[in-house]
Amino acid sequence: KAGVTQTPRYLIKTRGQQVTLSCSPISGHRSVSWYQQTPGQGLQFLFEYFSETQRNKGNFPGRFSGRQFSNSRSEMNVSTLELGDSALYLCASSHSDADTQYFGPGTRLTVL
Amino acid sequence: GENVGLHLPTLSVQEGDNSIINCAYSNSASDYFIWYKQESGKGPQFIIDIRSNMDKRQGQRVTVLLNKTVKHLSLQIAATQPGDSAVYFCAWERDYKLSFGAGTTVTVRA
Repeated sequence: KAGVTQTPRYLIKTRGQQVTLSCSPISGHRSVSWYQQTPGQGLQFLFEYFSETQRNKGNFPGRFSGRQFSNSRSEMNVSTLELGDSALYLCASSHSDADTQYFGPGTRLTVL
Repeated sequence: GENVGLHLPTLSVQEGDNSIINCAYSNSASDYFIWYKQESGKGPQFIIDIRSNMDKRQGQRVTVLLNKTVKHLSLQIAATQPGDSAVYFCAWERDYKLSFGAGTTVTVRA
């Protein structure tokens, strides 16, 4: 079974631009979560989706948004990019609640 | 040697020795706990998990211990190998989200 895939793997943007990251979960998994990883803050939860519904959201500004499609694929969007948004963005999928979350390789976003 | 209970940001271990990685979690309402391994340039990789109705669970060369009284998790790796060099994170689940510990960088000396 294929793992979680994320595209693109690397991205360079400038301040003020917006970006969309994509995640395809493991086949059969309906929950998709997004995390931001930085050296200073570690791994932080962004949001979780299940059957196209956001069930939980982390403490991030409204510039960070996401959605999930009927095939469970998910996208996250960051608008008006800031230098501090440079990070590794990780997507994870799980089959159901309180189940193991499996991570993708991440998208490395650099904001210049 | 062992560092019982103490979270260390780095751990250097001789190949073949046992490793113990400690983690303190913050949410006493969590019922599900996981250890992940992250190698450079990769996403976190699942190692082992444990639910709150257990205090010990064993996998292949790994054992997780859970002490809910003091909100402490530990990961024991037997016969540590060079391929075990990575950053190890504990995580706890609540309300559809994972929270993570700070991570421990394990370096295996040949």
